[in-house]
Amino acid sequence: GAVVSQHPSWVICKSGTSVKIECRSLDFQATTMFWYRQFPKQSLMLMATSNEGSKATYEQGVEKDKFLINHASLTLSTLTVTSAHPEDSSFYICSAPEREANTEAFFGQGTRLTVV
Amino acid sequence: DAKTTQPTSMDCAEGRAANLPCNHSTISGNEYVYWYRQIHSQGPQYIIHGLKNNETNEMASLIITEDRKSSTLILPHATLRDTAVYYCIGTNNNNDMRFGAGTRLTVKP
Repeated sequence: GAVVSQHPSWVICKSGTSVKIECRSLDFQATTMFWYRQFPKQSLMLMATSNEGSKATYEQGVEKDKFLINHASLTLSTLTVTSAHPEDSSFYICSAPEREANTEAFFGQGTRLTVV
Repeated sequence: DAKTTQPTSMDCAEGRAANLPCNHSTISGNEYVYWYRQIHSQGPQYIIHGLKNNETNEMASLIITEDRKSSTLILPHATLRDTAVYYCIGTNNNNDMRFGAGTRLTVKP
């Protein structure tokens, strides 16, 4: 089946630095990808929709200048957490749906970000 | 997306069937019922989805009531590896998966 891969699986960074997370669709093209954030013992919260060839759309309350999204190609979206703070420590997950409607969406394995 | 309601947690004995309910009384006619699960510290895993008819695959069965206001995910022979949080999502767009709190299923030996 289709696979979505995230890199890195985990990352530790210092406060004030920026971290980039990659999301790749390995065997299919994805014009749209989605970024989620999950805090401990909570559900996944949709952060933004990444659109190939156009600007990302962000959910209410998500700072677009802090969470930069670039959908560089039909198989790659990146999320950059800028000027990271400890409260940005979380599990970040991307997903990409198949183009055919009413089929499944595929999720990456997630990236654990720890800001110290 | 349709609002869904699931029990917070459930236990199941290993080898027995696990029946996970989901209420989606406001689901519209073109919204599918999707089930995903998330094992600790991993990304969500697709299980099954359906519109009106019951569905079965190698992982599970999905039973949707005739009025489509509720559904049940059935894991026929639960194993310890099925311990996870199970999410029921009602949506007409596989682009837009919004997760509720889910059901934490614990399979016990």
